[in-house]
Formats: sequence, structure tokens, C-alpha cells
Amino acid sequence: EAGVAQSPRYKIIEKRQSVAFWCNPISGHATLYWYQQILGQGPKLLIQFQNNGVVDDSQLPKDRFSAERLKGVDSTLKIQPAKLEDSAVYLCASRIDRDVYTFGSGTRLTVV
Amino acid sequence: KQEVTQIPAALSVPEGENLVLNCSFTDSAIYNLQWFRQDPGKGLTSLLLIQSSQREQTSGRLNASLDKSSGRSTLYIAASQPGDSATYLCAVNGYGQNFVFGPGTRLSVLP
Repeated sequence: EAGVAQSPRYKIIEKRQSVAFWCNPISGHATLYWYQQILGQGPKLLIQFQNNGVVDDSQLPKDRFSAERLKGVDSTLKIQPAKLEDSAVYLCASRIDRDVYTFGSGTRLTVV
Repeated sequence: KQEVTQIPAALSVPEGENLVLNCSFTDSAIYNLQWFRQDPGKGLTSLLLIQSSQREQTSGRLNASLDKSSGRSTLYIAASQPGDSATYLCAVNGYGQNFVFGPGTRLSVLP
């Protein structure tokens, strides 16, 4: 079974620029999550999708972050404009049932 | 609001030692508790999931216990190996809610 694919692996941008991350979950996994993991902290949920609908985006900074999951498969997370404090690893995870998650390797974002 | 803490933040042990990692959570009304492993530059891998009705779960050299009333869980690793070096995170969720993660314990097992 293929894992959760994320790209790019690394991204360095200047503050106020925009950036987008891509996630391809495991085939058939209806639930998809985006997490932000700041160095030394645990992952923080940004947004949860069920198929192509948003279930929970209460912690998503909507003034600068946006996410979509077209056709209930791939998902993109965008930041515009980026701030220094957005430097983190952005993890995508998918789930088919219960509480068994499969995580991607993440995208490490550095904002300078 | 649920908060999860983990002690210690980092731990270094010689190979072969048994060790215990601790996790505490503020709201005891949890549905599940899960322990994850995270290798550098990688995502999280689930190690053990304990449902609220259970007291412990075992997988190989790993044993996780749960005491809901005191808001604590421990992860016991027997006969540690250098390959166990990683960050270990615990996470809890309420019924129908998403997991809240702790900051993790960074473990180094020295050969």
C-alpha cells in the first residue's frame, strides 16, 4: 500500500510571499488532515476534510491560510502572505476508520 | 481545552536499558490515547492505541498503560536499542473529536 505523498519536501521563502503544499492521501481514505508542527512542539491540527467537505477548520488562520480538497482526493494547503512564525513542518495525514492515521513525511517550510 | 504534556523532553540512555516515558493530559474524559513515533524528517507512525475502557496495550518490547482518573499514561520500552532513537509523542481525543498531541520526548539510545 502506497503511503501519503507530500511535496515539496522543503521550501524556503521570504516573508510576505505565498507558498502551496500538496498532499495525495492513501487511496480510499475519506478523511484527510493538515497539521502544523513547529520545532519542539506536537502537531497542531489546521484543517480536517471528509471527502471534499471541511469538517474542522477552527484552528486554521483563515486570513492567510487556505486549503482545498477537490474531488475528495488530493489536497493543497496555501499560505498567503507568509509570516516568519509560519516556519514549521506541515504534515498531511489520512484515515480510513477508527483512529488509525497514516502520516506523510511532511513539508519543511522556512520563512526568512 | 485539552492539554497534553510529556516528561522528560529528552532522554539519553545506554543500549539495553529499560525506560519509561510519561504523558499527562488535563481532561480525563478521553476516548482514546495513542502513542506515536517520529523519526527525523519523517511523519508519525502509530505504535499503540489504548481505548478509554482499556488499561494497557502491548506490542513487542513496548507496553503502554493508561490511568484515566489521574490523567496519565506511560510508555515502557524494554531492552532499548539504538534503532529506538526517535521522538515519541502521545495524543488523546474525546469521542468524535480530533487528537491533541503532546510535544514529545526525544529519545537517544547510545550503542
